[in-house]
Amino acid sequence: EVHLVESGGGLVQPGGSLRLSCAASGFNFGTHCMSWVRQAPGKGLEWVANIKQDGSGIFYVDSVKGRFTISRDNAKNSLYLQMNSLRAEDTAAYYCARVLVDYISTPFDCWGQGTLVTVSS
Amino acid sequence: EIVLTQSPATLSLSPGEGATLSCRASQSVTNNLAWYQQRPGQAPRLLIYDTSKRATGIPARFSGSGSGTDFTLTISSLEPEDFAVYYCQQRREWPLTFGGGTKVEIK
Repeated sequence: EVHLVESGGGLVQPGGSLRLSCAASGFNFGTHCMSWVRQAPGKGLEWVANIKQDGSGIFYVDSVKGRFTISRDNAKNSLYLQMNSLRAEDTAAYYCARVLVDYISTPFDCWGQGTLVTVSS
Repeated sequence: EIVLTQSPATLSLSPGEGATLSCRASQSVTNNLAWYQQRPGQAPRLLIYDTSKRATGIPARFSGSGSGTDFTLTISSLEPEDFAVYYCQQRREWPLTFGGGTKVEIK
């Protein structure tokens, strides 16, 4: 069974940093593009970043460019999101999502349960 | 960026009724549109991709149609578990964008 499990969320002060991790199991991680999607409390979904199978072809939403870095370790079946210079508006549940095989960007056919990031002083 | 506008914001229906949800794009996304369902407290779930392809395990009562800028998700007969929020999403160009969502609630 396919599983994506996020970790690393928590409370951080504005300007601080966090590193999110996503542990994948039940499928060949290295054959899928992967993504991070976030959802502010009570709000809709917002795509954050994508990374291709080999770690190239990285894309970000403008609001996080220069602050967030997506990466992956195929040997460890893991996806990461390094978040720096955090702002209050980054407060959200962050979901790790798998891109359907043979697709580059979406659709997202499998999602983790999310990890909550709260940016507040 | 491509803006996706979903309507209505809320749909109040009874179990057994049909539901029609709309998603309009600010420019053509050809057929590169997906639909997701999100139940309260849960992660989103892929329903439809490439406008009309059902994802694995999705019941036949869910169907998608449209092209260009206007798309529809149809639920032929609502089951109790279908009351949720539905989002459309485009992959025609970066950044990937989602619509604001339609909540299907029990009347």
